[in-house]
Amino acid sequence: GQNIDQPTEMTATEGAIVQINCTYQTSGFNGLFWYQQHAGEAPTFLSYNVLDGLEEKGRFSSFLSRSKGYSYLLLKELQMKDSASYLCAGMDSNYQLIWGAGTKLIIKP
Amino acid sequence: GAVVSQHPSRVICKSGTSVKIECRSLDFQATTMFWYRQFPKQSLMLMATSNEGSKATYEQGVEKDKFLINHASLTLSTLTVTSAHPEDSSFYICSARVGREAGELFFGEGSRLTVL
Repeated sequence: GQNIDQPTEMTATEGAIVQINCTYQTSGFNGLFWYQQHAGEAPTFLSYNVLDGLEEKGRFSSFLSRSKGYSYLLLKELQMKDSASYLCAGMDSNYQLIWGAGTKLIIKP
Repeated sequence: GAVVSQHPSRVICKSGTSVKIECRSLDFQATTMFWYRQFPKQSLMLMATSNEGSKATYEQGVEKDKFLINHASLTLSTLTVTSAHPEDSSFYICSARVGREAGELFFGEGSRLTVL
């Protein structure tokens, strides 16, 4: 079956770095996505990886290892506004997104 | 990026009534739109895939007669919750993408439905 696993909740300190891990099992693979969702709002796109390696975009970076079925989202210089849920989603061979349950990130001063 | 607008953002209705939620792609044509439901502290649950000009494809366990989806044009899809009950109270979100193989989904603002 298809499955996305990510931690339920993480806590980090303002100004620090946090890494949110995601492992995936999909029928075929057409990429791995990360979305940010603030409470009560719709998700917003953060990143897309389809090749192995690290993609950096400002304070956020995303990594993919296809051989390991593994990705992580790295957030640097954490700000209070980064408190949100982070959703990992894998795209299968039919271009359908398989969603993880999301990781709630709590930032403390 | 592309813009998807969803309306209404909040709706409160009495049990037994029907509620219609609209999802519009404002600056692109969306051949495919997706409808999700999200309960508090849970992830997105895909309800159905809406294809312009054809019947929607519903996920297992989603009642198609209760959640009516119409995708009459390339820029508009509607979700009608018929005979709503309190257990239908949830956050409903639509999304669209540009092209079948495009991964990035553009989400509407979401609609919070409360059924009394």
